[in-house]
Formats: sequence, C-alpha cells, structure tokens
Amino acid sequence: DAGVTQSPTHLIKTRGQHVTLRCSPISGHKSVSWYQQVLGQGPQFIFQYYEKEERGRGNFPDRFSARQFPNYSSELNVNALLLGDSALYLCASSLGPDVTDTQYFGPGTRLTVL
Amino acid sequence: AQSVTQLDSQVPVFEEAPVELRCNYSSSVSVYLFWYVQYPNQGLQLLLKYLSGSTLVKGINGFEAEFNKSQTSFHLRKPSVHISDTAEYFCAKEYGNKLVFGAGTILRVKS
Repeated sequence: DAGVTQSPTHLIKTRGQHVTLRCSPISGHKSVSWYQQVLGQGPQFIFQYYEKEERGRGNFPDRFSARQFPNYSSELNVNALLLGDSALYLCASSLGPDVTDTQYFGPGTRLTVL
Repeated sequence: AQSVTQLDSQVPVFEEAPVELRCNYSSSVSVYLFWYVQYPNQGLQLLLKYLSGSTLVKGINGFEAEFNKSQTSFHLRKPSVHISDTAEYFCAKEYGNKLVFGAGTILRVKS
C-alpha cells in the first residue's frame, strides 16, 4: 500500500513569493496534519484537518493556511515567504483526529527561501 | 509550559553496545508519550508510544522505553545497537491533542 506522499520533493522560492505544498494521505485516513521542521530542531505542529475541517492550529502567523479536499488530500499554503520559512514541511495522516491515533509521516517537502 | 527536552543532541556508541536516549517533559493532565525515528532524507516513523498501562513499552526494532511519572521522563533504550540504527530520534508528548516534539538526538553507531 502507498504511504503518505508529498509534492514537490524540493523547491526554491524567493522572499515575498507564495508556495503551495501538497499531501496525499494513506487510503482510508481522514486526518492530515502539517508540521514544520527547521534544520536542527524537532517538527513543530502547524495544522490538523479532519473530515475537511480544521481541528487544530499551531502558533504560526496567518501567512500559513491549509485546506483538505473531499478525497482527504491536503494543501498547505504559505504567503509572503520569509527566509525563516526555509524548512522541511512534513505531512502526517491518521485514521482519526486524536493524537492517540498513530500518525504516518510522508518524506517531506524541502523548502528553501532565498 | 509545554516542553519536551531531549538531554543529548548526539550520542555516539559502538555497534552491539547498549544505548539510552533521554527525554524529559513538562507535566500535564494527560500523559501520552511517543518516540519517533527519522532516517536521512525520510519522514518520521513511530517506534513506540505510551498511552496507559505498563510503564515499560516495547516498540519496533528492539527498542523499549520506560515511563517514569515522578521524574517526568520517558527514556528510550536498546540493549544492543546496530549500524542501521544510526538516525535521529525524536521524543514527543501530547499537549491539547497536539504533538510537541523535542529537538532530537542523533544516534551515531560506530563499527
């Protein structure tokens, strides 16, 4: 079975631009969470979506937004990119919305902001 | 404050030796604890989790962890490591139904 897939694998943007990252969950999983992992740090929670509704939001500015589609795939959007947004963005899917449901992570999208 | 502290940023160890990776957390009402492993250029993989019950939790690849409520710790151990265990390990705890991760410990297994 396919695991969590993310696209693109890498991308390079310049300050002020906008970026869209995509995630496809494991088949049957209805919850998708997004994390930001800055080099040398642990992942930091950005958003959780379950059944197309936002279930949780981390401490990130409004430049960050996300949505979940009827097929449970998800997009993370970041506007007005800053150098500090350079990071590995991880998507995780799970069957349900509770943290006790095992989260399965994708390989991530490496974003570089110049 | 919601925090997870991994006390060692890097742990070098020889192959077949035992290893312990330390993790402490700030306490909260619920105690759900996790260890994840991240191999180079890959996402995170769940090693084990503590939700309730026995304080000794066994996971994949021969790893185990012990929940110690009084010391607010959840240290990860393996009695004999392999070269293939070289990776970064993250401890995480639930706060408000969200995972908060520690900064990670790089385990370097030397031959």
